[in-house]
Amino acid sequence: NAGVMQNPRHLVRRRGQEARLRCSPMKGHSHVYWYRQLPEEGLKFMVYLQKENIIDESGMPKERFSAEFPKEGPSILRIQQVVRGDSAAYFCASSPGQDSPLHFGNGTRLTVT
Amino acid sequence: DQQVKQNSPSLSVQEGRISILNCDYTNSMFDYFLWYKKYPAEGPTFLISISSIKDKNEDGRFTVFLNKSAKHLSLHIVPSQPGDSAVYFCAASSNFGNEKLTFGTGTRLTIIP
Repeated sequence: NAGVMQNPRHLVRRRGQEARLRCSPMKGHSHVYWYRQLPEEGLKFMVYLQKENIIDESGMPKERFSAEFPKEGPSILRIQQVVRGDSAAYFCASSPGQDSPLHFGNGTRLTVT
Repeated sequence: DQQVKQNSPSLSVQEGRISILNCDYTNSMFDYFLWYKKYPAEGPTFLISISSIKDKNEDGRFTVFLNKSAKHLSLHIVPSQPGDSAVYFCAASSNFGNEKLTFGTGTRLTIIP
């Protein structure tokens, strides 16, 4: 049973470009979460989605960031017009329900040059 | 405002001895607490959790203790093994759910053979 799959593992973007991070949850998991880890910090909640619905986006920056979890296909975290401060590790997690521990992917390390 | 604090960035313990990792929190609404373990270049892996209705939960070599009045929890690992060397994150949530975790900044545990 494959775990949470994130790709790419590493992504380099120049300032002003767009970054797209993909996450395929574990089989049978309908809840997806995105977290961001800045250097020397803990993981910070960004957004919680279920299929075709954003449940809680209270951790998402108000501009340039968006997330989706379509009926078919992976969840996408999209960052428009990236800036250096967006450089971080972005982790996706999934669970079969709210009462179950989160299973994390190995993350996408975004570097903005 | 750091609502979950891990004040020791690092800890070294002799193999076979007990490792004690500490975590403090400030938000009285937190009622569910978890410990995650993270190896380099991997995502966090769930270790153990505890609900605020308990003060202790044990799973094999891992025991979590919760002191609600002090807003403090600790993770005990005994006996410590070389494979336990990793970064340990404390996390907390409210409503007994997993959907929005607040993480500490982590403690790097090194087990000395």
